[in-house]
Amino acid sequence: GENVEQHPSTLSVQEGDSAVIKCTYSDSASNYFPWYKQELGKRPQLIIDIRSNVGEKKDQRIAVTLNKTAKHFSLHITETQPEDSAVYFCAAGNNNDMRFGAGTRLTVKP
Amino acid sequence: GAVVSQHPSWVICKSGTSVKIECRSLDFQATTMFWYRQFPKQSLMLMATSNEGSKATYEQGVEKDKFLINHASLTLSTLTVTSAHPEDSSFYICSASYSTNEKLFFGSGTQLSVL
Repeated sequence: GENVEQHPSTLSVQEGDSAVIKCTYSDSASNYFPWYKQELGKRPQLIIDIRSNVGEKKDQRIAVTLNKTAKHFSLHITETQPEDSAVYFCAAGNNNDMRFGAGTRLTVKP
Repeated sequence: GAVVSQHPSWVICKSGTSVKIECRSLDFQATTMFWYRQFPKQSLMLMATSNEGSKATYEQGVEKDKFLINHASLTLSTLTVTSAHPEDSSFYICSASYSTNEKLFFGSGTQLSVL
């Protein structure tokens, strides 16, 4: 089955700086890679996703890159703001079988 | 966007009682729903995959007789924690997806505390 590893587990940045979170996966058949933001005690919210036929996707300050050969994908947040502080989860899989990374707690200091 | 409603949001119960958690897709038909367990500061651990009209598929290590899942309709799945014990205390979250789309929409979660 799929195994997803996520790094770092915690990340602290200054407001305005960029943040990068990386994930690796094991199953080459995985073709869908979403990222979720979860605030304390709340449901995960999809912030961006990418499919295996695309190498990069951007949505305002958020971007995701995918390297299928190396089986890794990354989340990039530019111009970070205090409200970006949350736990971020990557996931990988297909056909409704998704596995989640361990999460990254991002803290943006004002 | 798609909305998934989960109830209750929190429940406190005595050891040995059973607790039922409901997960509803409000504006779409979800042929597949998922149940997760999340411990504090940890990731979402998939417990089971629930398909409408068929038996749920449980992940390894999850007791199907303890965590009963019923997906009776295209908009409702329930998770019943039977004979709950303190070690079952956790945050339980459901998610749902369209039949041919991997996008997951999450419920708001249920914090279960077993005394």
